[in-house]
Amino acid sequence: EVQLVESGGGLVQPGGSLRLSCAASGFTFSSYAMGWVRQAPGKGLEWVSGIGGTGISAYYADSVQGRFTISRDNSKNTLYLQMNSLRAEDTAVYFCAKQHSGNGVVDYWGQGTLVTVSS
Amino acid sequence: EIVMTQSPATLSVSPGERATLSCRASQSISSKLAWYQQKLGQAPRLLMYGASTRATGIPARFSGSGSGTEFTLTISSLQSEDFAVYYCQQYNNWPRTFGQGTKVEIK
Repeated sequence: EVQLVESGGGLVQPGGSLRLSCAASGFTFSSYAMGWVRQAPGKGLEWVSGIGGTGISAYYADSVQGRFTISRDNSKNTLYLQMNSLRAEDTAVYFCAKQHSGNGVVDYWGQGTLVTVSS
Repeated sequence: EIVMTQSPATLSVSPGERATLSCRASQSISSKLAWYQQKLGQAPRLLMYGASTRATGIPARFSGSGSGTEFTLTISSLQSEDFAVYYCQQYNNWPRTFGQGTKVEIK
């Protein structure tokens, strides 16, 4: 059974940093592209970042380019999102996402972790 | 960036009736379209990809159609568990973009 468990969310001040983690199990982690999708309170879904199976290729939404860094440790079956220079508009539930065939379609989602940026 | 527009914003349907949801892309995305269902407080669930291929475990009452810029998700006979918010998503270009969602509510 595929499981994706996020951690690392919480309350942070504007300009601060946070690192999210996603522990994956139930599939061959290194064989699949992964990513992060977020949802602001009461709003729709936004693709934040994606990364290939080897970790070499990464993609970012314009809204986070230069501030967020996605990475993965295939030896630990874990996906990360380092978030710097956080803004109020980054407040959202962040979902860990397993991609179906590396094409940006998400076939499995984590339960989400809430990030709140506020002073 | 490709803009995805869903209509209507809210659809009121009686159980057992058919529901038809629309999604339009601002430019052609071939058949690179997925649909997701999200219930309150839960993560989304993949329903459809390739515009018309049902994901694993999705019942046959869900069907998808379309290509290019116009797409449709049809739920042939609404069950109680189908009342939720539905999102379309294009994966032809980066950034991948979602529509704003259609809420299917009980009439």
